Amino acid sequence: EDQVTQSPEALRLQEGESSSLNCSYTVSGLRGLFWYRQDPGKGPEFLFTLYSAGEEKEKERLKATLTKKESFLHITAPKPEDSATYLCAVQEDTSGSRLTFGEGTQLTVNP
Amino acid sequence: DAGVIQSPRHEVTEMGQEVTLRCKPISGHDYLFWYRQTMMRGLELLIYFNNNVPIDDSGMPEDRFSAKMPNASFSTLKIQPSEPRDSAVYFCASQQQWNQPQHFGDGTRLSIL
Repeated sequence: EDQVTQSPEALRLQEGESSSLNCSYTVSGLRGLFWYRQDPGKGPEFLFTLYSAGEEKEKERLKATLTKKESFLHITAPKPEDSATYLCAVQEDTSGSRLTFGEGTQLTVNP
Repeated sequence: DAGVIQSPRHEVTEMGQEVTLRCKPISGHDYLFWYRQTMMRGLELLIYFNNNVPIDDSGMPEDRFSAKMPNASFSTLKIQPSEPRDSAVYFCASQQQWNQPQHFGDGTRLSIL
């Protein structure tokens, strides 16, 4: 069975303090790994899709990377508006369009 | 382009009542998903449709839950009878093709008293 583990559960940063969030996964065959951002009272908002080890994607202060066992979401010089819960999800190559989500990392960036 | 639209945004009802949640996917999207999010279990897939046909309903918790997609622009998730443990936020998402990301609505917060 697919397993997705995110760490840490919660992270507090000062504005400008860079850090990384981790997403470890165990699947028999990875079709894609997805990163989402979720604000309170809202649905998850799509950020990135990664398909193969070594792939990287960037968007503003965020960069996502992928290895064969984990993905990192690097946040460079974060701002308070980056505060949110970040979710990763995996899609296995034998599971159709089913996504399995991790529990998320709640990020707080203080001014 | 309008996103995924869910209604109602909030629902409070008493145990035993029927609950119907509604979803309008993004136009042109072939896939529709129903998820449930709780503090204990996180975000979990209940069922998904491709071209209005249910493909995977293995996440539907029990027979009290049912989902339909009568056409490409509308889907419902029904709970009958409802129980307090069904309290959660229910999300609908749609996807254009199998290799595209899923786009979520803002959810229905359901409270069963």
